[in-house]
Amino acid sequence: EPEVTQTPSHQVTQMGQEVILRCVPISNHLYFYWYRQILGQKVEFLVSFYNNEISEKSEIFDDQFSVERPDGSNFTLKIRSTKLEDSAMYFCASSELFRAPETQYFGPGTRLLVL
Amino acid sequence: RKEVEQDPGPFNVPEGATVAFNCTYSNSASQSFFWYRQDCRKEPKLLMSVYSSGNEDGRFTAQLNRASQYISLLIRDSKLSDSATYLCVVNNGAENSGYALNFGKGTSLLVTP
Repeated sequence: EPEVTQTPSHQVTQMGQEVILRCVPISNHLYFYWYRQILGQKVEFLVSFYNNEISEKSEIFDDQFSVERPDGSNFTLKIRSTKLEDSAMYFCASSELFRAPETQYFGPGTRLLVL
Repeated sequence: RKEVEQDPGPFNVPEGATVAFNCTYSNSASQSFFWYRQDCRKEPKLLMSVYSSGNEDGRFTAQLNRASQYISLLIRDSKLSDSATYLCVVNNGAENSGYALNFGKGTSLLVTP
């Protein structure tokens, strides 16, 4: 069964450093998403991406965040200058355009710890 | 962003019991509804979509009441492997919304021997 993959599984960084989280969506999917989940809290939407541009972003997704699809397979989330409160699990998701587009499949996540 | 509310639990039930979870959502324009399951420190996984007519998948039954903005999940004959957090999820479905999912905080279920 095809699946969304994410790397790295864990990342530890110092406050103020830049991090790039990587995702490989399911190959025939055209909508891509990033969500985050702070420990003990709910999963929160960050951004959606379609046709090489952002479709929607939440208030969490400020100027410190950016997304990119640098090639035909990867989808990345960059945090320019990490803060302590960016520590969370970051999930990438993808969905197929024409069949139940709102049914999203999630990757296993990257656990980010900012020290 | 409009909210999705769930009873956090935990629900502790013996194997074989029937357990029901409830969820309310505040955005009356919501179009799509789901239950996801999340195991500890893992990604959310789609359990089932929820339709207005109600739908069943094996031991799981989901109901939607649009007038009350209320969603439910019933698990019959619960198994130890059902222990997880159950997430109520709503999606506005509008083209310009990017199909963002709006999650509840989840209801924790522990099934005991």
